[in-house]
Amino acid sequence: SQTIHQWPATLVQPVGSPLSLECTVEGTSNPNLYWYRQAAGRGLQLLFYSVGIGQISSEVPQNLSASRPQDRQFILSSKKLLLSDSGFYLCAWRFRGNYGYTFGSGTRLTVV
Amino acid sequence: QKEVEQNSGPLSVPEGAIASLNCTYSDRGSQSFFWYRQYSGKSPELIMSIYSNGDKEDGRFTAQLNKASQYVSLLIRDSQPSDSATYLCAVDRFGGGGNKLTFGTGTQLKVEL
Repeated sequence: SQTIHQWPATLVQPVGSPLSLECTVEGTSNPNLYWYRQAAGRGLQLLFYSVGIGQISSEVPQNLSASRPQDRQFILSSKKLLLSDSGFYLCAWRFRGNYGYTFGSGTRLTVV
Repeated sequence: QKEVEQNSGPLSVPEGAIASLNCTYSDRGSQSFFWYRQYSGKSPELIMSIYSNGDKEDGRFTAQLNKASQYVSLLIRDSQPSDSATYLCAVDRFGGGGNKLTFGTGTQLKVEL
């Protein structure tokens, strides 16, 4: 069966520090991968998506970047965090031909 | 106009009643429609998907889709306290080289004893 892993579960980082969140998928190949952010009391906002290795599409201009170095690995990064980067970051995958999207357990990021 | 709109609630229903959740979307090119349940502090969990006009039933859940009216709904029969959560409507469409899922802001459901 397919599983999706995200880590860490929680993170507290100072303003101006770098960020790296990792997401990996097991049990499938060539999935579409997504990064979403959910700010407190807000809906899910799509940040980046990837249809293949090295292919990244950005939805919202911001202080973040994404990379896909391997088929089942998706990384969200920032060089310098802002207070406004705080939120619940969720990775999701969609297998081609399967309409459902499955989410990881998320990373709660607090920038202080 | 928001791409996916939902009433934020809270929607309060007594235990055993039917809860009705509604959603409208703006893009007529949308292909697939989903309902996710999200408990506080947790990630969203897929509970229903629907792709064609009409009703789709799965246990206590029924999803309804009307593409002409750009309207999606979710009915929860025999509501239980464990159904108390935020329900997210999501719409999938192809664009920019890939499929993307757009969410509404969610409706908070409270099932009262």
